[in-house]
Amino acid sequence: GIQVEQSPPDLILQEGANSTLRCNFSDSVNNLQWFHQNPWGQLINLFYIPSGTKQNGRLSATTVATERYSLLYISSSQTTDSGVYFCAVERDDYKLSFGAGTTVTVRA
Amino acid sequence: KAGVTQTPRYLIKTRGQQVTLSCSPISGHRSVSWYQQTPGQGLQFLFEYFSETQRNKGNFPGRFSGRQFSNSRSEMNVSTLELGDSALYLCASSPDRGFTEAFFGQGTRLTVV
Repeated sequence: GIQVEQSPPDLILQEGANSTLRCNFSDSVNNLQWFHQNPWGQLINLFYIPSGTKQNGRLSATTVATERYSLLYISSSQTTDSGVYFCAVERDDYKLSFGAGTTVTVRA
Repeated sequence: KAGVTQTPRYLIKTRGQQVTLSCSPISGHRSVSWYQQTPGQGLQFLFEYFSETQRNKGNFPGRFSGRQFSNSRSEMNVSTLELGDSALYLCASSPDRGFTEAFFGQGTRLTVV
């Protein structure tokens, strides 16, 4: 199956700092999503971005499908940005394959 | 519009018992998928249903089963529970299977003792 690698595994930031999370995938995909898992376990949708660039407030994402990677940018980080960020891709088999996640800790 | 609803939120079961988890998708969504999250294995796909038909199944033993009803609500069942089945079980719904965005419920946290 398709392999999804996220880096870095852990990220510690000072409040106000910017950061970039990366997601590499091993094959062409039809769907790519970024999620933030809240402390209660729910996966919150950040971006649905199989290709191109999108922005939502302090977050933005870029997917370069031809080179098989996606980037999630967090600007002016806040303590509420802490948590685990997941990248998930779908090829053509009705399932999402997840990366192992990046754990972000934002310190005040 | 209500989100994906999973019940129950928490569950404690004894080894050997069976359990049924429920998922109500977003209104109008016809695809429901199930995932298992554990610290060791991460998020793993269990199965996907569309219009009451299972279209894909992950690499889990036959003790894990599911179904979807005509109103798109879905249930998953785990029989003969093992300690290793302790996990967060997440359900996702999508409008269709044309590679559209998936939305997740809050999950059911199952503890097997």
